[in-house]
Amino acid sequence: GDSVTQMEGPVTLSEEAFLTINCTYTATGYPSLFWYVQYPGEGLQLLLKATKADDKGSNKGFEATYRKETTSFHLEKGSVQVSDSAVYFCALRVNNNDMRFGAGTRLTVKP
Amino acid sequence: NAGVTQTPKFQVLKTGQSMTLQCAQDMNHEYMSWYRQDPGMGLRLIHYSVGAGITDQGEVPNGYNVSRSTTEDFPLRLLSAAPSQTSVYFCASSYDRYSNQPQHFGDGTRLSIL
Repeated sequence: GDSVTQMEGPVTLSEEAFLTINCTYTATGYPSLFWYVQYPGEGLQLLLKATKADDKGSNKGFEATYRKETTSFHLEKGSVQVSDSAVYFCALRVNNNDMRFGAGTRLTVKP
Repeated sequence: NAGVTQTPKFQVLKTGQSMTLQCAQDMNHEYMSWYRQDPGMGLRLIHYSVGAGITDQGEVPNGYNVSRSTTEDFPLRLLSAAPSQTSVYFCASSYDRYSNQPQHFGDGTRLSIL
């Protein structure tokens, strides 16, 4: 079935460090891919998405490229801030199916 | 914009009690869903609905019931609460079920079963 695997956390970085959170997927159809962010005590918020191969989603300095050949959608940011501390979820959705989420990766950014 | 509203935000129950978690959205979304979030397991789908009057089971439906009498509301009922149902519950909605539609989430209900 459709599934998402993302790197285990927690990830701890210093402010201004480069961030990569790996995400790979398995899907029977042609999925759209999403990254969600969850701040403490809140629900999930859409961070970015890509709907077809080679698309790049971007938002708030975060980027992820839909790589069909490697079935990946890694999240990157060039310079993280303390305010980026949160849990990040990779997710996929295939037509007429439900959204599937990864286990989440907790990021802590220290000043 | 209110988006997706969940009530209550926190609840403590005793084993065997029943309760209903409320979810309402004001975006005229057809698709609504309930997830539970447990440490290290991401979000798991409990039940979902593709429109008023239509519901179906997700990955972990046992112990929960849902109904969808209106487009706006999608309550989740715990019939007889068990400690294994201690979790954070999220309601979400999207315009439809097609792949390019992201889901919009409520802020969650933190439920403890003693």
